[in-house]
Amino acid sequence: KNQVEQSPQSLIILEGKNCTLQCNYTVSPFSNLRWYKQDTGRGPVSLTIMTFSENTKSNGRYTATLDADTKQSSLHITASQLSDSASYICVVRPRKVNNNDMRFGAGTRLTVKP
Amino acid sequence: DARVTQTPRHKVTEMGQEVTMRCQPILGHNTVFWYRQTMMQGLELLAYFRNRAPLDDSGMPKDRFSAEMPDATLATLKIQPSEPRDSAVYFCASGPGRDTGELFFGEGSRLTVL
Repeated sequence: KNQVEQSPQSLIILEGKNCTLQCNYTVSPFSNLRWYKQDTGRGPVSLTIMTFSENTKSNGRYTATLDADTKQSSLHITASQLSDSASYICVVRPRKVNNNDMRFGAGTRLTVKP
Repeated sequence: DARVTQTPRHKVTEMGQEVTMRCQPILGHNTVFWYRQTMMQGLELLAYFRNRAPLDDSGMPKDRFSAEMPDATLATLKIQPSEPRDSAVYFCASGPGRDTGELFFGEGSRLTVL
């Protein structure tokens, strides 16, 4: 079973609307959680990073939240734009010494329509 | 503008042929990763290197895949012989090696094996 589960698998919204993507994880203890955006035909690019002590972090119209007790994170996109159409991948990093092992979610495919 | 460079961007080959993908990580990054991405599986770790030493290649089919870092500016992923099931997008990523370090992905190499 994947240690990082994302929902929904895909989502279609109208331009200007808000949406929220979910990430549930079982990785423990964990060091940090990142949300990546992957445009079609491109590599993933980091949007935000959350450590276990952080509850919320914003990057422009993107706001990530983290509940370390329930092991849930969300990515909220405000006033969506056509350029937000992409896959959003949740990545959790376990807390280990000299560790570069990361656990990837399968991603949520977001389509913003005009 | 530092970025990870991958070649080729696209490769179509026939079953049984050798395929070599190359990656130039960002200068100064001491960790390099190879990932494979398919629609069904998302991003899967194939191999990673730290200071050019292979630390984990457990995700890689050893009988046909090999990964090397002949020097700090070049990482290679080789498939020999290639099979249709190897068709996927292969991403190289590099990172600074810190626990909170961001991964910087290349644009990927799309491989089609006929």
